[in-house]
Amino acid sequence: NAGVTQTPKFRVLKTGQSMTLLCAQDMNHEYMYWYRQDPGMGLRLIHYSVGEGTTAKGEVPDGYNVSRLKKQNFLLGLESAAPSQTSVYFCASSYRVRDPPYNEQFFGPGTRLTVL
Amino acid sequence: EDKVVQSPLSLVVHEGDTVTLNCSYEVTNFRSLLWYKQEKKAPTFLFMLTSSGIEKKSGRLSSILDKKELFSILNITATQTGDSAIYLCAVEVDSNYQLIWGAGTKLIIKP
Repeated sequence: NAGVTQTPKFRVLKTGQSMTLLCAQDMNHEYMYWYRQDPGMGLRLIHYSVGEGTTAKGEVPDGYNVSRLKKQNFLLGLESAAPSQTSVYFCASSYRVRDPPYNEQFFGPGTRLTVL
Repeated sequence: EDKVVQSPLSLVVHEGDTVTLNCSYEVTNFRSLLWYKQEKKAPTFLFMLTSSGIEKKSGRLSSILDKKELFSILNITATQTGDSAIYLCAVEVDSNYQLIWGAGTKLIIKP
């Protein structure tokens, strides 16, 4: 099993360009998440999905859009990139067991994005 | 507003030392607390804690939760250079599928 994979691994964009980050998981997880990680700020949730065809906003959704057309894939789009979106982006997926609580998230290797 | 605070933010020790990392939280509807280790790339899962006073152990790492005082500690004994990493704490709150993350503790182990 590959677990959670992300493409691309690195990308440099100019301000105003668009791009899509792809996340794929082969663990049949219902839930998928997109985070960004900046120095000294931990992980911040951008958007998440609780199942195929569903998406929801996280803590920092502005400037990003997502889609979950297939259960195994979760796409993150930047329509018009800005320098403030320079960051490392992580995708994660999980089961979620209600009782007892269990929400271990499995992470992809990350995408390092630089916006000039 | 829900928040998770880790301390210290960074720590440098020598190989063989014992370290204690702290994670305090203020959240509504606590469900669980998770510890992750992040080396160069993706965070990897260490422990999940839901009940006070029950220690989780894995080799030289152990963790415990205090739900009355709203904190958890992660202990690492006989540290090795391979323990150098960022240690992240996250809290799951009820019914919104999200983890609230601390900023992390950057641990450096010197030979």
